[in-house]
Formats: sequence, structure tokens, C-alpha cells
Amino acid sequence: DTAVSQTPKYLVTQMGNDKSIKCEQNLGHDTMYWYKQDSKKFLKIMFSYNNKELIINETVPNRFSPKSPDKAHLNLHINSLELGDSAVYFCASSLTWDQPQHFGDGTRLSIL
Amino acid sequence: GENVEQHPSTLSVQEGDSAVIKCTYSDSASNYFPWYKQELGKRPQLIIDIRSNVGEKKDQRIAVTLNKTAKHFSLHITETQPEDSAVYFCAAERAGGTSYGKLTFGQGTILTVHP
Repeated sequence: DTAVSQTPKYLVTQMGNDKSIKCEQNLGHDTMYWYKQDSKKFLKIMFSYNNKELIINETVPNRFSPKSPDKAHLNLHINSLELGDSAVYFCASSLTWDQPQHFGDGTRLSIL
Repeated sequence: GENVEQHPSTLSVQEGDSAVIKCTYSDSASNYFPWYKQELGKRPQLIIDIRSNVGEKKDQRIAVTLNKTAKHFSLHITETQPEDSAVYFCAAERAGGTSYGKLTFGQGTILTVHP
């Protein structure tokens, strides 16, 4: 079983639409993260939740809203999608926030 | 905030040779330094990490060294194989403080191992 799983794997949509990406981890970890990897492969953290509580919120447009219904799930909702949102979005988790992070397989978002 | 510089951006070696990738960081309070390998179209995978209380760590063909004074750390891969070809990322974090797991990544190194 995949330890950190994301759905969908691919997301192709039009500018202006709203979309969600889901993430689930079965590792029993307390901390979950969202990262964005741009076309130049640069990885940058967006958000982090610890036990359902937001602990990192980088300078991300407020069109991006994470939600953690429980500590095993962290979803990302994006409103009014823009061309610049095209990227691969990775979910990750760690036992606690100072332990190694393990990544999911990513969601490739393409905006037409 | 933390800034991590990674060099080289591309590295091409012959099978069996060694490969070295270097990173420098700016925040002297950073104390956790992982390395990730990302194959094409796949997720970043943790391959080795080091904390600031040690200077070197080895795991089979890979090793990481840390120089806290100079604020740089390096990944060493010996006896490279074609399956080592991937993008390698270094990262730094001030673990245990108020950074709350915020990893700052380097720009990545594309390693190509020629058979």
C-alpha cells in the first residue's frame, strides 16, 4: 500500500475553474505538507499541518486553501485557477515536524 | 529566511566513477540536512540525511558530509551506476524550533551516469 497517496494523479482544467487535490497518509504521522514543484523542478513548501492545525503558511495566494479533516488527510482546494498554477503538487508527511518527510507521487496540474 | 545553493546544476559521469554534489546554506541555526533523489516523473525519495551533531554519515555507496563552520554539506556517490541517474535535491531545516518542518530546497542537480 502506498504510504502517502494523492488523487488525482493528473488534473487538466481551464483557467478560472476551482479544483481540489486530496492527500492521505497511512503512516500514523502527525505532520503533513503541501509542496509545489514548478517547471524548473524547484520545490517550495506551501503549507504544513500538525495534528490538523496549520503551522506553516508560506506566501501563497489566498486562492489556495488547505483543509485537514483529520491528521491522516490534507486536502488542497484552489479557486480561480490561473496559468501560473500549472505545476506538480506534492503532499508529504512526517512523524513530527522535525522528522524526515516522505512524499506522495504528486499531482500534475495543467491549466489550459 | 534560509537560502540553499546547490552545485553543479548538471553532472555527467561514467559508470563506476564517483559523483559529488555540494550545497551551502545561509542560516547558521539550520541543523537538519536531507538529500532527496527524484527520478523522472516520480516523487522525491529521501536517500540519506544528517543532523548537525555529526560530521559524516554513510549508507552503502552514498555518504553525506557536513561542515557547520563553512555552512556547507555534500553528497558523495561512489561506484555510480546508470540507475543512479536522477535529479538530486539537498535541503536544510532548523528542526525542533519554530520552523515547524520547513525544508528549504536547493535548485537540484541532474546526474547522468553513462554506461
